[in-house]
Amino acid sequence: EDQVTQSPEALRLQEGESSSLNCSYTVSGLRGLFWYRQDPGKGPEFLFTLYSAGEEKEKERLKATLTKKESFLHITAPKPEDSATYLCAVPLIYNQGGKLIFGQGTELSVKP
Amino acid sequence: DTGVSQNPRHKITKRGQNVTFRCDPISEHNRLYWYRQTLGQGPEFLTYFQNEAQLEKSRLLSDRFSAERPKGSFSTLEIQRTEQGDSAMYLCASSLVKLRGLYNEQFFGPGTRLTVL
Repeated sequence: EDQVTQSPEALRLQEGESSSLNCSYTVSGLRGLFWYRQDPGKGPEFLFTLYSAGEEKEKERLKATLTKKESFLHITAPKPEDSATYLCAVPLIYNQGGKLIFGQGTELSVKP
Repeated sequence: DTGVSQNPRHKITKRGQNVTFRCDPISEHNRLYWYRQTLGQGPEFLTYFQNEAQLEKSRLLSDRFSAERPKGSFSTLEIQRTEQGDSAMYLCASSLVKLRGLYNEQFFGPGTRLTVL
């Protein structure tokens, strides 16, 4: 069964305390992995697309990496404004529709 | 603003009433998706359109749900005879798919929060 699992479910950090979020997936024929940020009461905001193992993308304090089984979102020296839920998703390809299967998200809280 | 827009942002209704939501995608995007999200969960796929054609519907989409995308532009999602279990955030997303087998990122709207009393 196609599945996306994120860990931890919640993460509390002090400002400046670096950490990583994990996204593991079991899908046949990965055709990309997406990371989104979601603030309370809002829609997901696109962050990164990763297409192949070994690929890395960076944006400000965030860096996303991809292996054959999982992806990591590394947060370096986080600030309180990085507090949000981070979602990863993969597209299903069997019907070529590209509908996304999401993990349940990691709720990140960064305290000053 | 050239992003995905959704209306209304919030809807409170009584059980048994019908509701309709609207989504305006990014203008050049050819695919439009509807998702539903409940508290503490990631979004779940409901249905998607390629231009004006509805190509897939999830098993989550009961007969009370219907979606349209006339002329391949905006889309509407209607829920008939609402139930308390329909309370959720309804999200619309759009993407531009150019190459077969390559999935571009989907851009989401702000969502419509539905509360069924």
